[in-house]
Amino acid sequence: GAVVSQHPSWVICKSGTSVKIECRSLDFQATTMFWYRQFPKQSLMLMATSNEGSKATYEQGVEKDKFLINHASLTLSTLTVTSAHPEDSSFYICSARLRSSGLYDNEQFFGPGTRLTVL
Amino acid sequence: DQQVKQNSPSLSVQEGRISILNCDYTNSMFDYFLWYKKYPAEGPTFLISISSIKDKNEDGRFTVFLNKSAKHLSLHIVPSQPGDSAVYFCAASVGRDDKIIFGKGTRLHILP
Repeated sequence: GAVVSQHPSWVICKSGTSVKIECRSLDFQATTMFWYRQFPKQSLMLMATSNEGSKATYEQGVEKDKFLINHASLTLSTLTVTSAHPEDSSFYICSARLRSSGLYDNEQFFGPGTRLTVL
Repeated sequence: DQQVKQNSPSLSVQEGRISILNCDYTNSMFDYFLWYKKYPAEGPTFLISISSIKDKNEDGRFTVFLNKSAKHLSLHIVPSQPGDSAVYFCAASVGRDDKIIFGKGTRLHILP
C-alpha cells in the first residue's frame, strides 16, 4: 500500500513552454501533498505544501506564479512549471501524507520523480 | 542556513560490517526525525523514524539513535548488505504534521 505515482517520469521541453507534472496517491487519500526539487548532489528542497481544496503554501524563494500547484482532490496534485527555462531543469519529486493514520505519523510517501530538461 | 546537516557526502563500508550514518541539526524545535533511502532516479523511501521522547528506535537491521543534547542522530545498519548501497537522507520536522526538512544526503557504498 501507500503508492504514489508521478507522470510523466521524464519530459524534455523547449524554453518558454509550460510543463505539467501530475502526482497521484494510488491507494490512499492524501490530505497533504508536497513538491520537492532536487539538484544533482543536493538535498531535496521543499518547494511547496498543498492541502486539498486550498491554496498551496510556498517556501521562501519559490516563485508561486512560476510553479503553479493545484490540489484538486485527495488523490491528485499537479505542478505546472510555467514558461520553463533551462535553469528549471531538475528532478521534481512529490510526496503525499496519509490522512490521519497513527501507524504512519508524519510519514511521507514519495513518488518516483520527474526529470525535467528544458532546452 | 541548513537546519539538517549530513557532513559526510559519501561512506564506504565492507559487506557484513556496520554502517553508521551521521546527522546533525540546528533547530532545537525539531522533535521528529526520519531517515530515507534513495536510489538514483527514484523517490526516497521511508526507512525509520524516531520522536524526541526516545533515544533509540530499532527496526530489523536499522537502528536510529538520537542525542538531543548534542542535536545529533545516527543511523546504524548492521550487517550491511549490497542492496544497502544508496543515498540516505536524514530529515526532521517540528511536530508530526509539519513539513520535513532534509539533509543533503550521504551516499553509502557497500563493498563486496
